[in-house]
Amino acid sequence: SAVISQKPSRDICQRGTSLTIQCQVDSQVTMMFWYRQQPGQSLTLIATANQGSEATYESGFVIDKFPISRPNLTFSTLTVSNMSPEDSSIYLCSVETGKDGYTFGSGTRLTVV
Amino acid sequence: QKEVEQNSGPLSVPEGAIASLNCTYSDRGSQSFFWYRQYSGKSPELIMFIYSNGDKEDGRFTAQLNKASQYVSLLIRDSQPSDSATYLCAVNEWGDDKIIFGKGTRLHILP
Repeated sequence: SAVISQKPSRDICQRGTSLTIQCQVDSQVTMMFWYRQQPGQSLTLIATANQGSEATYESGFVIDKFPISRPNLTFSTLTVSNMSPEDSSIYLCSVETGKDGYTFGSGTRLTVV
Repeated sequence: QKEVEQNSGPLSVPEGAIASLNCTYSDRGSQSFFWYRQYSGKSPELIMFIYSNGDKEDGRFTAQLNKASQYVSLLIRDSQPSDSATYLCAVNEWGDDKIIFGKGTRLHILP
C-alpha cells in the first residue's frame, strides 16, 4: 500500500495566523482526502483534492478557511487559515489504495493558542 | 445524511476472550466496509475490509456483514492487551471515493 509522509507532525500556533500542512505520497494517486479529528472524536472529511481541479469541500468547510493545493499526483497541501482555538485538532491526509482501503498519513497535531 | 453508528464504549474484555464490536449504517447504497484501529496519538490503520455478506476471517480478526440489517461487526479472538485501542467503522458507497467514519469504540483488554 501507499506510504504517506505528512508534516509537520505537530505545531503550536498563534490565533489569527495560518499553517500549511504537507502530504507526500510515494506513488501517484488520483484523489487525496483531508480529514480533521477533534479531541475524542472521529474523523470528519474536510475535502477531496484532485490534481488539476479545485478541491471539493464537505458541508461546513469552505475554501477560504481551508485552501488546498494539489499540484501533482503525489503531493497536496492543506492550509488552516486565520486560526482560532476551535481549529485545534489533528489533521490527516489519506489516499485510496485500491481494494486495500485507505491509507493515512501520520497526522498533524495542531494547537492554537 | 449518511450516518455510521458505533457504541463509544469503553468496552472492557478479559485477555483471551472474544471482543465483539458493532456498527450500523444508514445508507443502503453502501458497498464497502472497513475496520480501522487507532492507538492513542496515532493515525488509523486498516485491519479489515469486507464487501460481501457473510464472514471474512484474517488471523484473529473476523468481519461480519449483513446488508439486509445494515450491520457490520468485528470479532477479535484471543484478545491481547495490545488490542486495546479505538476501533473505527467506515463505509463508502459504490462509485463514491470518500468514506464515512463512525465515532469509534474504545476497546480495553483487561490483563
